[in-house]
Amino acid sequence: GESVGLHLPTLSVQEGDNSIINCAYSNSASDYFIWYKQESGKGPQFIIDIRSNMDKRQGQRVTVLLNKTVKHLSLQIAATQPGDSAVYFCAEILPSNDYKLSFGAGTTVTVRA
Amino acid sequence: GAGVSQSPRYKVAKRGQDVALRCDPISGHVSLFWYQQALGQGPEFLTYFQNEAQLDKSGLPSDRFFAERPEGSVSTLKIQRTQQEDSAVYLCASSLGPTGVRETQYFGPGTRLLVL
Repeated sequence: GESVGLHLPTLSVQEGDNSIINCAYSNSASDYFIWYKQESGKGPQFIIDIRSNMDKRQGQRVTVLLNKTVKHLSLQIAATQPGDSAVYFCAEILPSNDYKLSFGAGTTVTVRA
Repeated sequence: GAGVSQSPRYKVAKRGQDVALRCDPISGHVSLFWYQQALGQGPEFLTYFQNEAQLDKSGLPSDRFFAERPEGSVSTLKIQRTQQEDSAVYLCASSLGPTGVRETQYFGPGTRLLVL
């Protein structure tokens, strides 16, 4: 199908270390990807997005890398903090439309003090 | 500024009961979306509005689900004759412009529906 999947359902990281969250997608025509963070009891919060004409995009403490050859997306969080503990979703908007977000199952990140 | 708000935050319904879930999008946002999130899963698209027009309802799981946005701002998702499989978190999101430009969707906190 055209779902966006994640390699690992859980990730435990020491506070201060860098985190890498991976995501694979199956539709080679997909051209827009978004990372969302969802804390317990809250809605998804936009982190960063990237379009297929880019390989890398940086935000505040976060970097998204896109490898179109292997259809892989990753989110890197620098100097992970306790407030980064959450479920992280990658999502894509399929090329057939401009608005319908297609989410993967998510990776739960737990930050150890 | 104010984000997307949803009410109620929690709803317990008996099987067969009708429920109505409300979404207040960010002021001035043209586009509004509803998603359903089952426990442990990512959100799944239900329906999309541009102003008051419902342009896509392809994700609504059955004809028991109905959504409206009569004045192009507040939206209501109604579920008739609720079933246990309707238990989920219902998320509302809004974005500034119409489609054609892939814009950030801002999500509300969701309504957690439990059908007994």
